[in-house]
Amino acid sequence: EAGVTQSPTHLIKTRGQQATLRCSPISGHTSVYWYQQALGLGLQFLLWYDEGEERNRGNFPPRFSGRQFPNYSSELNVNALELEDSALYLCASSLLVKPQETQYFGPGTRLLVL
Amino acid sequence: DAKTTQPNSMESNEEEPVHLPCNHSTISGTDYIHWYRQLPSQGPEYVIHGLTSNVNNRMASLAIAEDRKSSTLILHRATLRDAAVYYCIRSNNAGNMLTFGGGTRLMVKP
Repeated sequence: EAGVTQSPTHLIKTRGQQATLRCSPISGHTSVYWYQQALGLGLQFLLWYDEGEERNRGNFPPRFSGRQFPNYSSELNVNALELEDSALYLCASSLLVKPQETQYFGPGTRLLVL
Repeated sequence: DAKTTQPNSMESNEEEPVHLPCNHSTISGTDYIHWYRQLPSQGPEYVIHGLTSNVNNRMASLAIAEDRKSSTLILHRATLRDAAVYYCIRSNNAGNMLTFGGGTRLMVKP
């Protein structure tokens, strides 16, 4: 069974540009989560999508947005990129919406903003 | 606010057991305890989770204190491939996201 996949693996942008990151969950999983892992800040929750709807959002500005498609894949968009947006962006998926449910992570997209 | 406390780092010798502690003194009755680990240059990987009882799986064991204010992840025989950052996380119905703290960096010496 294929795991969570993310694309691209690496992305280089300049300040002010927009970045689009993509995630395909494990087959059958309807929930997709996005996390940011910036150097020195640890993993921080960004967004949670389930059944096409945004269910929860972390403490990030509105220029971080996303969506979930009918096939449950997801996109994370970051507008007006800033240098501090440089980070590893991780996507995870889960089968059910329960507190005991395991989240399965992808390998991440490393975004570098110059 | 991660609401869990873990040592920054621990060292172990290969083939020996490792006990990774986690303090979650403000845990509520419905919070699950999850452990994930992150190997270098990879996304986090699920290890184990529990609510009240001790749990075992092929990767590790989870010992939960009777008052649930602390737990211990037990790797029965550490290997070099177990070198990673181990995260202890509480989860409940509030938002479904995982709140990661700093984790414990486990170093395994041959």
